[in-house]
Amino acid sequence: QVQLVESGGGLVKPGGSLRLSCAASGFTFSDYYMSWIRQAPGKGLEWISYISSSGSVKQYADSVKGRFVISRDNAKNSLDLHMSRLGAEDTATYYCAREPSIVFEYYFDSWGQGTPVTVSS
Amino acid sequence: SYELTQPPSVSVSPGQTARITCSGDALPIQYVYWYQQRPGQAPVVVLYRDSERPSGIPERFSGSRSGSTVTLTISGVLAEDEADYYCQSSDSSNTYRLFGGGTKLTVL
Repeated sequence: QVQLVESGGGLVKPGGSLRLSCAASGFTFSDYYMSWIRQAPGKGLEWISYISSSGSVKQYADSVKGRFVISRDNAKNSLDLHMSRLGAEDTATYYCAREPSIVFEYYFDSWGQGTPVTVSS
Repeated sequence: SYELTQPPSVSVSPGQTARITCSGDALPIQYVYWYQQRPGQAPVVVLYRDSERPSGIPERFSGSRSGSTVTLTISGVLAEDEADYYCQSSDSSNTYRLFGGGTKLTVL
């Protein structure tokens, strides 16, 4: 079955950097777009980035553009999110999610359990 | 910027029908997807392509649309349906994925 396992979350100081990873299994990773979605404590879901199946296309929400970089390694079935210049507003649980490989259908059919990131001094 | 608007909360008694709306300017040309998130858990998609149910989602979950408003309907609500529900779509150019603010469904 599809499994997505995030790691790398933790406590980081304002202005610092962190790299999150997502290990995928149970499906052909290289066939699917992947996204990162976050949820601040007690708040709603916020999509922050996606990457195409080949890795050639990346898109970011305005809130993270220029600070976060999404990448993937299809040989290792892994998805990364490099976060820099972190601020308190980046405190959230970060989920990786799979998008079904269906044209014009952009949603998330499988999610990991999330990894928490806290930005605090 | 483009937004999806949901009511913050909806309350129903067990066995009643709950309706959660989602509105947005691009919705007439974009599919809407609905997620259920129980406390402490990751979201799960309950409807895709406006009204299609993934395998394992009960028939009491249904979807409909009218113009720029899409509605998630839960018929015969059970206590286990108490959760946060989020609609999700894309902007008109399919560049960004967007979530509504979420609706807390309370089963009285």
